[in-house]
Amino acid sequence: QVQLVESGGGLVKPGGSLRLSCAASGFTFSDYYMSWIRQAPGKGLEWVSYISSSSSYTNYADSVKGRFTISRDNAKNSLYLQMNSLRAEDTAVYYCARDRGGSGFDLWGRGTLVTVSS
Amino acid sequence: NFMLTQPHSVSESPGKTVTISCTRSSGSIASNYVQWYQQRPGSAPTTVIYEDNQRPSGVPDRFSGSIDSSSNSASLTISGLKTEDEADYYCQSYDSSIWVFGGGTKLTVL
Repeated sequence: QVQLVESGGGLVKPGGSLRLSCAASGFTFSDYYMSWIRQAPGKGLEWVSYISSSSSYTNYADSVKGRFTISRDNAKNSLYLQMNSLRAEDTAVYYCARDRGGSGFDLWGRGTLVTVSS
Repeated sequence: NFMLTQPHSVSESPGKTVTISCTRSSGSIASNYVQWYQQRPGSAPTTVIYEDNQRPSGVPDRFSGSIDSSSNSASLTISGLKTEDEADYYCQSYDSSIWVFGGGTKLTVL
């Protein structure tokens, strides 16, 4: 069935690193842009990063620019988010989402929780 | 970059109609599509309106979207409110490879 499944979340100390993965199934992954979106506990949604279908283009929210790197492997139907120099304010549920550009996000995963704490 | 501003919360009775606004801080609301997402506690968001006023299959026609250039805002209207509509609602738009969400509106159906 059409779905996205995130993994790789967990507890990490400030300054540490974590790599999130998102496995796609049920659709032609290589046809779509993809994004990461996060939600801090009790807070709203924040777009984090996007990557074009062929990885030619990426962009990041100012809050993570220079610390996070988005990538994808179309052969493995997988999306990744490498997170370095993590801060307490990066604590959130991270969702991967299928990105229709100006038409929004039409498929979301269930999310994976990242907790940054000493 | 622009911001999208929503009311923090709204409440209404079952069977009534409620409208949630989403005001764009700069640039025209009409220049990029607006989407609306519903998020129930503990669940991922789902789309209720895309491209300003389009409903995905499976979303009841009680949900409708519109934009108003005079107020530079978008609106989500839910008619015939049901208790199952109680959730957080987020507007979202896009400009120059930046995706922006509103702060979210908590809808209480009481």
